[in-house]
Amino acid sequence: DAKTTQPTSMDCAEGRAANLPCNHSTISGNEYVYWYRQIHSQGPQYIIHGLKNNETNEMASLIITEDRKSSTLILPHATLRDTAVYYCIVGGKLIFGQGTELSVKP
Amino acid sequence: DGGITQSPKYLFRKEGQNVTLSCEQNLNHDAMYWYRQDPGQGLRLIYYSQIVNDFQKGDIAEGYSVSREKKESFPLTVTSAQKNPTAFYLCASSMQGAFNQPQHFGDGTRLSIL
Repeated sequence: DAKTTQPTSMDCAEGRAANLPCNHSTISGNEYVYWYRQIHSQGPQYIIHGLKNNETNEMASLIITEDRKSSTLILPHATLRDTAVYYCIVGGKLIFGQGTELSVKP
Repeated sequence: DGGITQSPKYLFRKEGQNVTLSCEQNLNHDAMYWYRQDPGQGLRLIYYSQIVNDFQKGDIAEGYSVSREKKESFPLTVTSAQKNPTAFYLCASSMQGAFNQPQHFGDGTRLSIL
């Protein structure tokens, strides 16, 4: 499975958009990009996934660059309940790296 | 509501004792998975099942056993052979198997040794 690189932590003001980047320069042509998050002491929660086109669902948007070497997860209006560790994963096997600890502040 | 139910939320085990963790899903998913998560760490795959009456070992299967007699149920037994069982255990399911679908998780079971 390809590796991913994410910033260790980010802050976001409540109500503003949170943009979480992920680098996956060794991604293979048929590998999907998945995003999950984990709130402390809970199970991971699936957010969104995509192959090459941008995707949007009720939780977030996923922007994948044309060369597929990086992507950005966008939470359009972050709330305090979005505070969690966000994991970007390439391929289907859930190999969690460090992820990005997002803190949404009032 | 559709989802995955794990029970119990907290479990204590004595040395030398086997314990079984329950995982039930009503999502009509074919595939189910068991993971272990240690503090500050990522997930490690214990066992997975792509279809009823079939399952495969994951990366850390030693000391664990599973069964998949019904589509909706995938119990995990932590045997006395597992020397370091204290961890957060997570069950997941996906529509189809082999890691090519989003996985949906339960709330986990925390196992501790007395």
